[in-house]
Amino acid sequence: DTAVSQTPKYLVTQMGNDKSIKCEQNLGHDTMYWYKQDSKKFLKIMFSYNNKELIINETVPNRFSPKSPDKAHLNLHINSLELGDSAVYFCASSQDGQYGYTFGSGTRLTVV
Amino acid sequence: GQQLNQSPQSMFIQEGEDVSMNCTSSSIFNTWLWYKQDPGEGPVLLIALYKAGELTSNGRLTAQFGITRKDSFLNISASIPSDVGIYFCAGQPWTGKLIFGQGTTLQVKP
Repeated sequence: DTAVSQTPKYLVTQMGNDKSIKCEQNLGHDTMYWYKQDSKKFLKIMFSYNNKELIINETVPNRFSPKSPDKAHLNLHINSLELGDSAVYFCASSQDGQYGYTFGSGTRLTVV
Repeated sequence: GQQLNQSPQSMFIQEGEDVSMNCTSSSIFNTWLWYKQDPGEGPVLLIALYKAGELTSNGRLTAQFGITRKDSFLNISASIPSDVGIYFCAGQPWTGKLIFGQGTTLQVKP
């Protein structure tokens, strides 16, 4: 059973389009995250939700909007995609924000 | 903001050799974690450290939480080809987000 699952695995789209990435965790964790991994493999946090409430919102363009319908799901919607948005996006979850985060296998977004 | 300096950036070693990598921070952390990322996958937790001075092993892996709370190291003994990947340290203050190092890319020559 997959603990943190993301869909899609790959996403290729044109500049200006709007796209969504979905994430679900079956670990019973109360906190979920979105990380962006750039071409240099650096992992940077974007957002964090605890029990459906936004608790971390890093300096991310307004075009990125997370949504958490319940504590097991955290989706990421991106408007007006730009070339610089190309990266691998990881969803992760944890309990109480501690004790190590469990990551999904990532969504490779390519904007052309 | 808080930053972690992870070194070395990359390593190319012979199978059977031991490997050592470390992370340092200008800030104190309450938790140090070590992750491994295989190509096309997400980071997977290898070792978690919660106390200053703590030394923890997981098979051929050993990690330590520095006594100053500002550093941690990871050792891999007798490396094998499947150890190839990117290793990340991550530190977390008592209340706050997990911060990742820049990663160490390990390549093992059979």
